[in-house]
Amino acid sequence: QVQLQESGPGLVKPSETLSLTCTVSGASISPYYWSWIRQPPGKGLEWIGFIYARGNTNYNPSFGSRLSMSIDTSKNHFSLKLTSVTAADTAVYYCARHQTTGRWLQWDYWGQGILVTVSS
Amino acid sequence: ATQMTQSPPSLSASVGDRVTITCRASQDISNDLGWYQHKPGKAPMLLIYAASSLQSGVPSRFSGSGSGTDFTLTISSLQPEDFATYYCLQDYNYPWTFGQGTKVEIK
Repeated sequence: QVQLQESGPGLVKPSETLSLTCTVSGASISPYYWSWIRQPPGKGLEWIGFIYARGNTNYNPSFGSRLSMSIDTSKNHFSLKLTSVTAADTAVYYCARHQTTGRWLQWDYWGQGILVTVSS
Repeated sequence: ATQMTQSPPSLSASVGDRVTITCRASQDISNDLGWYQHKPGKAPMLLIYAASSLQSGVPSRFSGSGSGTDFTLTISSLQPEDFATYYCLQDYNYPWTFGQGTKVEIK
């Protein structure tokens, strides 16, 4: 059974860096695509970006240069870093896997999410 | 960015009801659309991908249709475990975007 587990600090101070890791168990991190998604309190879901097992990335432009992702195939995990956070970055952060079926994507496994609060 | 307009934002329905949720894309997204069920504190769950393909293990009362800009998720006979929030997601144009969600509540 494939499982994804987000981990990281639940509280980050404004202007600092939010760092999260998603650890994958039950499957190799290769050769899939891995996304981060977030949900601010009381709002809908927002796609943050994805990373491929080979390290290729695609980010939501709304995050500008604040965002970076990395992947460590030896540890079967991937990570998110978001710099210069503000209260608007307070959200539940999810990681998810998507695999290709033909030319379509199946977002077939998701983590349960981690609440990150930005506050001093 | 492609805007996904999902409706209704919420609905009340009874067990056994037929429920329909729609998503409209601001531009053509072919059939690159998925539907997800989300319960509080749980991981979102894929129901439908490629607009109309049922994900393995998902009950057949869920179905999807549409292409281009207009899409529909139908639950043919609502069950108690179906009360949740449902989202559409387009992964055709970057940035990928979600609908605002439809909360299905018990009448």
